Amino acid sequence: DTGVSQNPRHKITKRGQNVTFRCDPISEHNRLYWYRQTLGQGPEFLTYFQNEAQLEKSRLLSDRFSAERPKGSFSTLEIQRTEQGDSAMYLCASRPGGSNTGELFFGEGSRLTVL
Amino acid sequence: GQQVMQIPQYQHVQEGEDFTTYCNSSTTLSNIQWYKQRPGGHPVFLIQLVKSGEVKKQKRLTFQFGEAKKNSSLHITATQTTDVGTYFCAGPEYNFNKFYFGSGTKLNVKP
Repeated sequence: DTGVSQNPRHKITKRGQNVTFRCDPISEHNRLYWYRQTLGQGPEFLTYFQNEAQLEKSRLLSDRFSAERPKGSFSTLEIQRTEQGDSAMYLCASRPGGSNTGELFFGEGSRLTVL
Repeated sequence: GQQVMQIPQYQHVQEGEDFTTYCNSSTTLSNIQWYKQRPGGHPVFLIQLVKSGEVKKQKRLTFQFGEAKKNSSLHITATQTTDVGTYFCAGPEYNFNKFYFGSGTKLNVKP
């Protein structure tokens, strides 16, 4: 399968714990996005990487959230000191570079439940 | 910042009826994309519109981009149960570093 891969698919954690999600984009895609989606809402932008550079970060992203893409391939999204309001689906998407148009390819998401 | 709004939020139709969802942006868009998310699934790209007034068709689906490039619509003719899901529009920011998604229209089709 050469699609966008995310893991874990589900994560249940207690409030105050740290969690980390991983995204493996389609191999030739140098642009990678993280989105958050809550029930009944559209995907909400979190952050954007072009290769290893984090070029955009949403103001909604508190300092408890950090994302990396160290070698311009896979990416991780870490949430520290989780809160119940962090419960959501975290979606990763990628797309190829070289064009300012083109579809986003989404992974199946990592669902976080904070108890 | 840019806002993308969609109406209606929900639509329940009988199989065979038509369905339309509307998308409006607070700013002019360079292009607009449509995605479908099945229940329990992830968004899947349907189409991209780039030109002012553009109309594209995919079988029973017709997509339009407004003349002012600030609104768009998706029309499904003769809905089928396989059309069930949430339809999102998405518009890019000027530098394409982020895409803003509408809140979606959830379509339910009764057989």
